[in-house]
Amino acid sequence: DAGVTQSPTHLIKTRGQQVTLRCSPKSGHDTVSWYQQALGQGPQFIFQYYEEEERQRGNFPDRFSGHQFPNYSSELNVNALLLGDSALYLCASSLASGGYQETQYFGPGTRLLVL
Amino acid sequence: DAKTTQPTSMDCAEGRAANLPCNHSTISGNEYVYWYRQIHSQGPQYIIHGLKNNETNEMASLIITEDRKSSTLILPHATLRDTAVYYCIVGSPGSARQLTFGSGTQLTVLP
Repeated sequence: DAGVTQSPTHLIKTRGQQVTLRCSPKSGHDTVSWYQQALGQGPQFIFQYYEEEERQRGNFPDRFSGHQFPNYSSELNVNALLLGDSALYLCASSLASGGYQETQYFGPGTRLLVL
Repeated sequence: DAKTTQPTSMDCAEGRAANLPCNHSTISGNEYVYWYRQIHSQGPQYIIHGLKNNETNEMASLIITEDRKSSTLILPHATLRDTAVYYCIVGSPGSARQLTFGSGTQLTVLP
């Protein structure tokens, strides 16, 4: 049973560029959440996708956008990159069946460096 | 979501039990306690969760006080591979709830 997978593992961009990160959820999961983790800090919630729509959003600007596909995989897009966007980007998947069973399982992350 | 307080760091001898405390004095009646850990540069790993009863799985045990204002994660026989940052998170059940991570506890297992 494959867990959550993310690509690429590492990425280097320059300020002002745009980036797309990808996530495939754990088999059987239908909900994908994205988190940003700056160095030395805990992960911060960006947004969550369910049924191809953004269901909940954290305190992140509109430069951060996403998409969920019919196969439940997801993309995170960041436009007009800033140096402060350098971080580990984590994807987590879960099953929206209701109740306490909706544990989120995380992927290994994509490390983005903005120069 | 209720706020949690954890010690910044702890050490534990290999083979001994590691007891990680978490204070969540403002927890409400329907909020669960979740524990995750993050080994350096990897994604967080789910460990265990509970509402009010003590819970045990293959990884750890979770002891929640009767008033639910604090809990302890117990790793019964710590190994070097248990060295990680451990996060205690309180929230309502359901994937609609975003996980709010604090700073966590850096557990170092010493040989």
